[in-house]
Amino acid sequence: QSALTQPASVSGSPGQSITISCTGTSSDVGGYNYVSWYQQHPGKAPKLMIYDVSNRPSGVSNRFSGSKSGNTASLTISGVQAEDEADYYCSSYTSRNTVLFGGGTQLTVL
Amino acid sequence: QVQLVESGGGLVKPGGSLRLSCAASGFTFSDYYMTWIRQAPGKGLEWVSYMSSSRSDINYADSVGGRFTISRDNAKNSLYLQMISLRAEDTAVYYCARGSYRWYDYWGQGTLVTVSS
Repeated sequence: QSALTQPASVSGSPGQSITISCTGTSSDVGGYNYVSWYQQHPGKAPKLMIYDVSNRPSGVSNRFSGSKSGNTASLTISGVQAEDEADYYCSSYTSRNTVLFGGGTQLTVL
Repeated sequence: QVQLVESGGGLVKPGGSLRLSCAASGFTFSDYYMTWIRQAPGKGLEWVSYMSSSRSDINYADSVGGRFTISRDNAKNSLYLQMISLRAEDTAVYYCARGSYRWYDYWGQGTLVTVSS
């Protein structure tokens, strides 16, 4: 199975909103509401930011939000800050009872 | 607080074997699915395998099926990954994470496995 498709990089100035897309198929992203998003800073373990498409774990800033339309899920960061600069990964459950991750998106805060 | 600590990584020759361990604390281990996820150097995350709390639900990525075996000891609060017939492409940091196929809310710091002659 191929990885979910994410843009390799996105950028934004402090205070701007940015959106990262995650495209799959009807067998994964489109077929289940089991999409999650992770933030990873260099040399660190990933951190859960969004689960089940649009739910935010306790302690995660409400500047982070998730959504889904068809086979594409999205992570939006409102009012991006310097500390948000990191790699972001989406993941989805699949019809084969496996899990796919996206290739990752590097967020640069200008 | 929840802690996951992986161990057992190291340098191994192609075709060799290795067993990774993950020691869990700070939560009721026997209540949760657990998962292994890996990350090759400079690359993205790749899901490897998950196991349910009762061991009845197990799945593997195609890339490791038949070579890797996930197991757990709920009495010891530990998760394992037995890896055989290792290949260069298995070189990665291996993370232990709490969760099934929906999300992973806690991750260990990872253990590096290097497959090289």
